[in-house]
Amino acid sequence: EDKVVQSPLSLVVHEGDTVTLNCSYEVTNFRSLLWYKQEKKAPTFLFMLTSSGIEKKSGRLSSILDKKELFSILNITATQTGDSAIYLCAVAPGDTGRRALTFGSGTRLQVQP
Amino acid sequence: DGGITQSPKYLFRKEGQNVTLSCEQNLNHDAMYWYRQDPGQGLRLIYYSQIVNDFQKGDIAEGYSVSREKKESFPLTVTSAQKNPTAFYLCASSRDSGGYNEQFFGPGTRLTVL
Repeated sequence: EDKVVQSPLSLVVHEGDTVTLNCSYEVTNFRSLLWYKQEKKAPTFLFMLTSSGIEKKSGRLSSILDKKELFSILNITATQTGDSAIYLCAVAPGDTGRRALTFGSGTRLQVQP
Repeated sequence: DGGITQSPKYLFRKEGQNVTLSCEQNLNHDAMYWYRQDPGQGLRLIYYSQIVNDFQKGDIAEGYSVSREKKESFPLTVTSAQKNPTAFYLCASSRDSGGYNEQFFGPGTRLTVL
């Protein structure tokens, strides 16, 4: 059974801090890893990672994948109150077996002014 | 505008009643998905469909049913057999079910059983 574990479960920081969110996974047939941000309702897509060691960056957010150690990190620098959300990590399957994302339980980030 | 719509936004149901949640997409996506989210938790897969007239059970399919008669539509029925149906339900779609395409999510339906 595919498994995705995120840590920490919850995090409170102050504006301007840098945070690192962790995602480890065990899958039988890995294709990609995805990060989503969920503020109130629908999760919104942040990154898709398929190759090890290649950092993806969007503004203050960046993410990297390590396929050997089976984990990914999501970094947020100079945090703002608008970064407060649940951050979800998911793994996508390959061509066989279950063809749907497996999600972790999420990390709830709260950024205080 | 292309996207995914879910209705209703809020739904109240009495115990013992079946209820159907709507999900429609105009993105021309082949694959569609239903997830359940409980407070403080991630998303758990209920059912998914890779193509019209085909669907597979996810991790928590018991007490739920789906149909996929049209590419654009993937309604979810919560039956009276579902013991704890109060939750937030999210529908998603992707171009296909392979792992190279991200899923797009609808705004969700919050179901409360009274």
